[in-house]
Amino acid sequence: NAGVTQTPKFRVLKTGQSMTLLCAQDMNHEYMYWYRQDPGMGLRLIHYSVGEGTTAKGEVPDGYNVSRLKKQNFLLGLESAAPSQTSVYFCASNLVGTDYGYTFGSGTRLTVV
Amino acid sequence: GDSVTQMEGPVTLSEEAFLTINCTYTATGYPSLFWYVQYPGEGLQLLLKATKADDKGSNKGFEATYRKETTSFHLEKGSVQVSDSAVYFCALSGIKGGSTLGRLYFGRGTQLTVWP
Repeated sequence: NAGVTQTPKFRVLKTGQSMTLLCAQDMNHEYMYWYRQDPGMGLRLIHYSVGEGTTAKGEVPDGYNVSRLKKQNFLLGLESAAPSQTSVYFCASNLVGTDYGYTFGSGTRLTVV
Repeated sequence: GDSVTQMEGPVTLSEEAFLTINCTYTATGYPSLFWYVQYPGEGLQLLLKATKADDKGSNKGFEATYRKETTSFHLEKGSVQVSDSAVYFCALSGIKGGSTLGRLYFGRGTQLTVWP
Protein backbone atom coordinates (compact mmCIF):
# COMPACT_ATOMS: atom_id res chain seq x y z
CA ASN A 1 0.00 0.00 0.00
CA ALA A 2 1.87 3.06 -1.28
CA GLY A 3 -0.23 5.77 0.41
CA VAL A 4 0.75 9.20 -0.94
CA THR A 5 3.60 9.36 -3.44
CA GLN A 6 5.28 12.58 -4.54
CA THR A 7 7.54 12.98 -7.54
CA PRO A 8 10.19 14.19 -7.93
CA LYS A 9 11.89 14.13 -4.53
CA PHE A 10 14.44 16.80 -5.41
CA ARG A 11 14.66 19.42 -8.13
CA VAL A 12 16.76 22.45 -8.96
CA LEU A 13 15.24 25.04 -11.28
CA LYS A 14 16.52 28.22 -12.79
CA THR A 15 14.50 31.39 -12.30
CA GLY A 16 11.76 31.56 -14.90
CA GLN A 17 11.61 27.84 -15.62
CA SER A 18 8.43 25.88 -15.18
CA MET A 19 7.75 22.50 -13.63
CA THR A 20 4.99 20.26 -12.33
CA LEU A 21 5.00 18.35 -9.07
CA LEU A 22 2.93 15.19 -9.02
CA CYS A 23 1.05 13.78 -6.07
CA ALA A 24 -0.61 10.39 -6.34
CA GLN A 25 -2.66 8.57 -3.71
CA ASP A 26 -4.09 5.07 -3.81
CA MET A 27 -6.46 5.31 -0.84
CA ASN A 28 -9.50 6.65 -2.71
CA HIS A 29 -9.36 9.87 -0.69
CA GLU A 30 -11.61 12.68 -1.78
CA TYR A 31 -9.57 15.56 -0.40
CA MET A 32 -6.04 16.47 -1.43
CA TYR A 33 -3.80 19.35 -0.41
CA TRP A 34 -0.53 21.04 -1.32
CA TYR A 35 1.54 22.68 1.42
CA ARG A 36 4.88 24.38 1.48
CA GLN A 37 7.18 24.24 4.50
CA ASP A 38 9.72 26.94 5.18
CA PRO A 39 11.94 27.42 8.25
CA GLY A 40 10.07 29.20 11.02
CA MET A 41 6.85 29.35 9.00
CA GLY A 42 5.38 25.93 9.64
CA LEU A 43 3.09 24.52 6.97
CA ARG A 44 1.26 26.88 4.65
CA LEU A 45 -1.58 25.70 2.45
CA ILE A 46 -1.14 26.53 -1.23
CA HIS A 47 -4.16 24.91 -2.91
CA TYR A 48 -6.52 22.10 -2.13
CA SER A 49 -9.17 19.96 -3.79
CA VAL A 50 -12.32 18.43 -2.39
CA GLY A 51 -12.90 16.13 -5.34
CA GLU A 52 -12.09 15.29 -8.92
CA GLY A 53 -12.31 18.36 -11.13
CA THR A 54 -12.41 20.83 -8.23
CA THR A 55 -9.69 23.05 -6.78
CA ALA A 56 -9.57 25.94 -4.33
CA LYS A 57 -7.02 28.47 -3.14
CA GLY A 58 -5.32 28.20 0.21
CA GLU A 59 -3.28 30.76 2.12
CA VAL A 60 -0.43 31.27 -0.37
CA PRO A 61 -1.69 30.46 -3.90
CA ASP A 62 0.15 33.12 -5.89
CA GLY A 63 2.59 31.77 -8.44
CA TYR A 64 1.09 28.27 -8.38
CA ASN A 65 -1.60 26.45 -10.31
CA VAL A 66 -3.16 23.06 -9.68
CA SER A 67 -5.26 20.48 -11.42
CA ARG A 68 -7.21 17.41 -10.28
CA LEU A 69 -8.26 15.66 -13.47
CA LYS A 70 -8.27 12.25 -11.81
CA LYS A 71 -9.31 11.51 -8.25
CA GLN A 72 -6.00 9.90 -7.40
CA ASN A 73 -3.74 12.65 -8.76
CA PHE A 74 -3.19 16.26 -7.72
CA LEU A 75 -0.69 18.30 -9.73
CA LEU A 76 1.04 21.47 -8.60
CA GLY A 77 2.49 23.69 -11.32
CA LEU A 78 4.96 26.54 -11.22
CA GLU A 79 4.70 28.50 -14.46
CA SER A 80 7.67 30.81 -13.90
CA ALA A 81 9.74 29.79 -10.90
CA ALA A 82 11.13 32.43 -8.53
CA PRO A 83 13.76 32.08 -5.77
CA SER A 84 10.97 32.77 -3.22
CA GLN A 85 9.49 29.42 -4.22
CA THR A 86 12.49 27.57 -2.87
CA SER A 87 10.88 25.33 -0.29
CA VAL A 88 9.87 21.81 0.66
CA TYR A 89 6.49 20.89 -0.78
CA PHE A 90 4.19 18.35 0.81
CA CYS A 91 1.09 16.75 -0.54
CA ALA A 92 -1.55 15.29 1.76
CA SER A 93 -4.89 13.57 1.42
CA ASN A 94 -7.78 12.47 3.59
CA LEU A 95 -11.26 11.04 3.53
CA VAL A 96 -14.30 13.22 4.06
CA GLY A 97 -14.44 13.80 7.82
CA THR A 98 -11.05 14.68 9.28
CA ASP A 99 -11.19 12.44 12.31
CA TYR A 100 -8.96 10.14 10.29
CA GLY A 101 -6.31 12.83 9.92
CA TYR A 102 -4.17 13.43 6.86
CA THR A 103 -1.77 11.09 5.09
CA PHE A 104 1.29 12.98 3.91
CA GLY A 105 3.77 12.32 1.14
CA SER A 106 7.48 12.40 1.84
CA GLY A 107 7.98 15.80 0.23
CA THR A 108 9.69 17.46 -2.72
CA ARG A 109 12.67 19.69 -2.04
CA LEU A 110 12.73 22.44 -4.67
CA THR A 111 15.53 24.94 -5.09
CA VAL A 112 15.16 27.87 -7.48
CA VAL A 113 18.44 29.57 -8.38
CA GLY B 1 -11.27 31.66 12.40
CA ASP B 2 -9.90 28.36 13.54
CA SER B 3 -6.28 28.45 14.64
CA VAL B 4 -3.66 26.66 16.69
CA THR B 5 -0.87 28.17 18.78
CA GLN B 6 1.96 25.99 19.99
CA MET B 7 5.02 26.82 22.00
CA GLU B 8 7.99 28.01 20.06
CA GLY B 9 11.11 25.96 20.05
CA PRO B 10 13.58 24.71 19.85
CA VAL B 11 13.27 22.45 22.85
CA THR B 12 16.45 20.69 23.94
CA LEU B 13 16.35 17.91 26.51
CA SER B 14 18.57 15.19 27.88
CA GLU B 15 17.56 11.59 27.40
CA GLU B 16 14.98 10.39 29.97
CA ALA B 17 13.78 13.93 30.70
CA PHE B 18 10.09 14.83 30.87
CA LEU B 19 8.64 16.54 27.81
CA THR B 20 5.77 19.00 27.51
CA ILE B 21 4.93 20.88 24.34
CA ASN B 22 2.06 23.30 24.81
CA CYS B 23 -0.75 23.68 22.30
CA THR B 24 -3.84 25.86 22.56
CA TYR B 25 -6.54 26.34 20.00
CA THR B 26 -9.27 28.71 18.90
CA ALA B 27 -12.30 27.21 17.23
CA THR B 28 -16.06 27.42 17.09
CA GLY B 29 -17.76 24.20 17.94
CA TYR B 30 -15.90 21.04 18.91
CA PRO B 31 -13.01 20.24 16.61
CA SER B 32 -10.91 17.09 16.64
CA LEU B 33 -7.31 17.63 17.75
CA PHE B 34 -4.14 16.01 16.47
CA TRP B 35 -0.41 15.81 17.02
CA TYR B 36 1.80 15.07 14.04
CA VAL B 37 5.52 14.27 14.08
CA GLN B 38 8.06 14.96 11.35
CA TYR B 39 11.38 13.11 11.52
CA PRO B 40 14.34 14.61 9.64
CA GLY B 41 13.94 14.39 5.88
CA GLU B 42 10.47 12.85 6.07
CA GLY B 43 6.84 13.86 5.76
CA LEU B 44 4.47 14.32 8.68
CA GLN B 45 3.03 11.29 10.43
CA LEU B 46 0.01 11.18 12.67
CA LEU B 47 1.19 10.64 16.25
CA LEU B 48 -2.08 10.75 18.18
CA LYS B 49 -5.51 12.33 18.15
CA ALA B 50 -8.56 13.07 20.29
CA THR B 51 -12.02 13.67 18.94
CA LYS B 52 -13.96 15.01 21.95
CA ALA B 53 -13.46 16.78 25.24
CA ASP B 54 -11.60 14.84 27.97
CA ASP B 55 -10.40 12.24 25.46
CA LYS B 56 -6.76 11.22 25.85
CA GLY B 57 -4.79 10.30 22.76
CA SER B 58 -1.69 8.18 23.23
CA ASN B 59 0.97 6.53 21.10
CA LYS B 60 4.66 5.56 21.49
CA GLY B 61 4.68 6.83 25.08
CA PHE B 62 3.29 10.25 24.11
CA GLU B 63 -0.01 11.48 25.52
CA ALA B 64 -2.28 14.49 25.09
CA THR B 65 -5.64 15.27 26.69
CA TYR B 66 -8.34 17.33 24.99
CA ARG B 67 -9.16 20.07 27.53
CA LYS B 68 -12.19 22.05 26.44
CA GLU B 69 -12.18 24.33 29.49
CA THR B 70 -8.65 25.55 28.74
CA THR B 71 -8.82 24.97 24.95
CA SER B 72 -5.58 23.03 25.15
CA PHE B 73 -4.04 19.80 23.87
CA HIS B 74 -0.56 19.67 25.40
CA LEU B 75 1.79 16.88 24.32
CA GLU B 76 3.65 15.02 27.07
CA LYS B 77 6.10 12.17 27.39
CA GLY B 78 7.53 10.93 30.63
CA SER B 79 10.98 9.90 29.39
CA VAL B 80 12.24 11.05 26.01
CA GLN B 81 14.74 9.19 23.87
CA VAL B 82 17.24 10.39 21.29
CA SER B 83 14.99 8.83 18.64
CA ASP B 84 12.21 11.28 19.60
CA SER B 85 14.17 14.16 18.09
CA ALA B 86 11.83 15.59 15.48
CA VAL B 87 9.45 18.47 14.76
CA TYR B 88 6.03 18.19 16.39
CA PHE B 89 2.91 19.85 14.98
CA CYS B 90 -0.38 20.41 16.75
CA ALA B 91 -3.45 20.59 14.51
CA LEU B 92 -7.23 20.90 14.67
CA SER B 93 -9.91 19.93 12.21
CA GLY B 94 -12.53 22.14 10.69
CA ILE B 95 -15.78 21.78 12.57
CA LYS B 96 -18.16 19.08 11.54
CA GLY B 97 -20.86 20.43 9.27
CA GLY B 98 -18.95 23.63 8.59
CA SER B 99 -17.60 24.89 5.31
CA THR B 100 -14.08 23.99 6.42
CA LEU B 101 -14.89 20.33 7.02
CA GLY B 102 -11.94 18.25 5.86
CA ARG B 103 -9.30 20.90 6.53
CA LEU B 104 -6.65 20.70 9.22
CA TYR B 105 -5.17 23.86 10.74
CA PHE B 106 -1.59 23.43 11.89
CA GLY B 107 0.56 25.16 14.46
CA ARG B 108 4.01 26.31 13.39
CA GLY B 109 5.76 23.27 14.78
CA THR B 110 8.17 22.74 17.68
CA GLN B 111 11.64 21.34 17.10
CA LEU B 112 12.68 18.83 19.76
CA THR B 113 16.29 17.73 20.15
CA VAL B 114 17.17 15.04 22.66
CA TRP B 115 20.81 14.58 23.67
CA PRO B 116 22.20 11.29 25.00
